[in-house]
Amino acid sequence: EVQLVESGGVVVQPGGSLRLSCAASGFNFVDYAMHWVRQPPGKGLEWVSSLSWDGDNTYYADSVKGRFTISRDDRKSSLYLQMNGLRPEDTALYYCGKDVGVAGTYIDSWGQGTLVTVSS
Amino acid sequence: IQMTQSPSTLSASVGDRVTITCRASKSISSWLAWYQQKPGKAPNLLIYKASSLQSGVPSRFTGSGSGTEFTLTISSLQPDDFATYYCQQYSGYPFTFGPGTKVDI
Repeated sequence: EVQLVESGGVVVQPGGSLRLSCAASGFNFVDYAMHWVRQPPGKGLEWVSSLSWDGDNTYYADSVKGRFTISRDDRKSSLYLQMNGLRPEDTALYYCGKDVGVAGTYIDSWGQGTLVTVSS
Repeated sequence: IQMTQSPSTLSASVGDRVTITCRASKSISSWLAWYQQKPGKAPNLLIYKASSLQSGVPSRFTGSGSGTEFTLTISSLQPDDFATYYCQQYSGYPFTFGPGTKVDI
């Protein structure tokens, strides 16, 4: 069974930094692209970032480009999101998602999310 | 690519046939997925490639369309189907979700 467990969400001040982690199990992590998707409280889903299976290709939403960095550690079957220069509008539940394949398409498994609150 | 959905909210009863529309601002061929999200839960994949049913999803869910206009149909609404539904295009980065359609009683 695929399991994705996010962690690292906390309350942080504007301008601060945070690293989210996603621990994966139940599938061969090295074979799949991975994604981060966020959902502000009471609002819809927003795609944030994606990473190809080999880590060579990264993609970002315009709203986070230059501030967030996605990465993976295949030895630990883990996905990360380094978040710098945090803004109040980054407040959201952040989901980790497993792609159906190698390149990045749609998400066939989701974690339960980790909450990031940006507030002074 | 901008995604829109209509309606934003839909009130229906058990047994009703329900249709949700998703439109893309430019052609995405069939590179569209549909997700269902219940309150306090992560989204769940229903449909991929516009019309392919994800394994384990009941056959009352069907997807159709191509290009810029897509529909998700629930043939006979069940109590478990009251939720919010999102479309997502994966024709190209940045990926985008629709704003969601809430199906309530």
